[in-house]
Amino acid sequence: EVQLVESGGGLVKPGGSLRLSCAASGFTFSTYSMNWVRQAPGKGLEWVSSISSSSSYIYYADSVKGRFTISRDNAKNSLYLQMNSLRAEDTAVYYCARVHGGSYVDAFDIWGQGTMVTVSS
Amino acid sequence: EIVMTQSPATLSVSPGERATLSCRASQSVSSSLAWYQQKPGQAPRLLIYGASTRATGIPARFSGSGSGTEFTLTISSLQSEDFAVYYCQQYNNWSYTFGQGTKLEIK
Repeated sequence: EVQLVESGGGLVKPGGSLRLSCAASGFTFSTYSMNWVRQAPGKGLEWVSSISSSSSYIYYADSVKGRFTISRDNAKNSLYLQMNSLRAEDTAVYYCARVHGGSYVDAFDIWGQGTMVTVSS
Repeated sequence: EIVMTQSPATLSVSPGERATLSCRASQSVSSSLAWYQQKPGQAPRLLIYGASTRATGIPARFSGSGSGTEFTLTISSLQSEDFAVYYCQQYNNWSYTFGQGTKLEIK
């Protein structure tokens, strides 16, 4: 079964850091571009960051640029999001999502169940 | 940044009827447009990509159309499980953007 499982969410104080992980299974992880997408409570979806299959291309939303770092370990079938200088407005469910068809840019065909990040003092 | 605008914000439709949801891009995205369905407490599910291609396992009652800046998702005969929030997304470049969503509710 094709699956993505996020972990690492939790409660953190403003200015703090957190590292999210996404474990992939059931497909050849190393051939797919991957993304992080977040959803604040009661709000819509916001794309956060993308990384190509070999980590050659990395992109961020302006709202997280300079604070968040996306990375991957193809040997471990894992995607990561290092989040620093966290703000209250970063509070959201964070999803990892696979790019359809192995393209650099395409729709997101597989999503994890999400992990909640709460930034509060 | 390409801004995606969905309308209406809420759509009330009776089961068995047709639902038509709209999505407009602030500039052309060609056919690089996807539709997702999200139910409470669940992750989004890909319905349509390439503006009109149904994703694996998606019923034929879901159809997408449009290109450039104007797109439509049509659900031909609403089933109880179709009442959810629907998002459009452009992927014309690396800076993906989503619409704000349309909530499809039971009339």
